Amino acid sequence: DTEVTQTPKHLVMGMTNKKSLKCEQHMGHRAMYWYKQKAKKPPELMFVYSYEKLSINESVPSRFSPECPNSSLLNLHLHALQPEDSALYLCASSVRQAGWNEQFFGPGTRLTVL
Amino acid sequence: AQSVTQLDSQVPVFEEAPVELRCNYSSSVSVYLFWYVQYPNQGLQLLLKYLSGSTLVESINGFEAEFNKSQTSFHLRKPSVHISDTAEYFCAVSGHSSNTGKLIFGQGTTLQVKP
Repeated sequence: DTEVTQTPKHLVMGMTNKKSLKCEQHMGHRAMYWYKQKAKKPPELMFVYSYEKLSINESVPSRFSPECPNSSLLNLHLHALQPEDSALYLCASSVRQAGWNEQFFGPGTRLTVL
Repeated sequence: AQSVTQLDSQVPVFEEAPVELRCNYSSSVSVYLFWYVQYPNQGLQLLLKYLSGSTLVESINGFEAEFNKSQTSFHLRKPSVHISDTAEYFCAVSGHSSNTGKLIFGQGTTLQVKP
């Protein structure tokens, strides 16, 4: 299995809702990443987990809360989002958290905040 | 710190014509270099990478890129493009010494292949 899966594919939520995005990989990778991508822009790094521990938080607002319950799973919990948070949310994984490691990306969750 | 500049935001080209997508980077340390492709409504896929060794790297679908240290460039080329190559292309760098795994992306180049 050489892919990263993400669910749901699309999500529409109101500003008062609580929802979660899920990412899964079974490649034995020990680094996992969350990115946010706006239309026609490059991905922006949000969080990095290494060996299930939060390694990097790129000063992301607390309405985004990541969780890594095990080495294969990465969640992003969403609460009280703003319309400007609407974007494509990409998950990625790599063998280790190191610069030479290729990052494998999932297809993304397209989030719309009303 | 590193930065990446993709000099063209859009590159229109006819099918079977050659194409070059330009990428320049700035860094005070040695870097690893990557090209990722993003097809419409999909995630990113690695196209090719330069880690060390031969400065010319090739992908399985006919793309190649050459690392030029003196010009700090990593341009992507294909001698003959297909309609299916229409996509967004991102150049990215990662610093040798940081060990954070952080990728610094360029702004992207939209390749539009016309019949």
